[in-house]
Amino acid sequence: GAVVSQHPSRVICKSGTSVKIECRSLDFQATTMFWYRQFPKKSLMLMATSNEGSKATYEQGVEKDKFLINHASLTLSTLTVTSAHPEDSSFYICSARRFGYGYTFGSGTRLTVV
Amino acid sequence: SQQGEEDPQALSIQEGENATMNCSYKTSINNLQWYRQNSGRGLVHLILIRSNEREKHSGRLRVTLDTSKKSSSLLITASRAADTASYFCATVLNTGTASKLTFGTGTRLQVTL
Repeated sequence: GAVVSQHPSRVICKSGTSVKIECRSLDFQATTMFWYRQFPKKSLMLMATSNEGSKATYEQGVEKDKFLINHASLTLSTLTVTSAHPEDSSFYICSARRFGYGYTFGSGTRLTVV
Repeated sequence: SQQGEEDPQALSIQEGENATMNCSYKTSINNLQWYRQNSGRGLVHLILIRSNEREKHSGRLRVTLDTSKKSSSLLITASRAADTASYFCATVLNTGTASKLTFGTGTRLQVTL
């Protein structure tokens, strides 16, 4: 199958600090990964497309300096929320596309900024 | 921007009943997919229907697609308490080198005993 592991599942951080979320494809290589943000009882909003070896493509309205995405290898993409504020508290989910398997999602990260 | 709208936003039924969720979208698509999300968890792929297909079945799931109306429906037959979750439709738009999934607003399904 196609398995995507996301870590951590929950994180609490103080305002002004940075938090890194990892998304790994465990049994396949993913040249493209996607990062989503989800507010309570709401849908998933695509934040950016993470491309291995190149810069991420951000959706309109998403601050690239706020949400740093790095896709340094074919199995790992990271999302760093910099200088976090309480309004950044949300559920972040990554996904990876594998040919023939469609899109596989990580289990999500609940970020709480206090 | 949000591609799809789903209705109802919330649905409560009893075990054994059928649940129908509808999804409408705005632009031409390559395919439409349905996903399930348990509370606070990631998404699980349920079924994919291509733009040239009208109906598809998978176990207790039945999906229809009407491209002329830009709408799709997901039917869960003989529902179980374990089907309680949020259900999202998602469409694929090919843009450049990446095919992006865009999600609908979702339907929260509650199945009671």
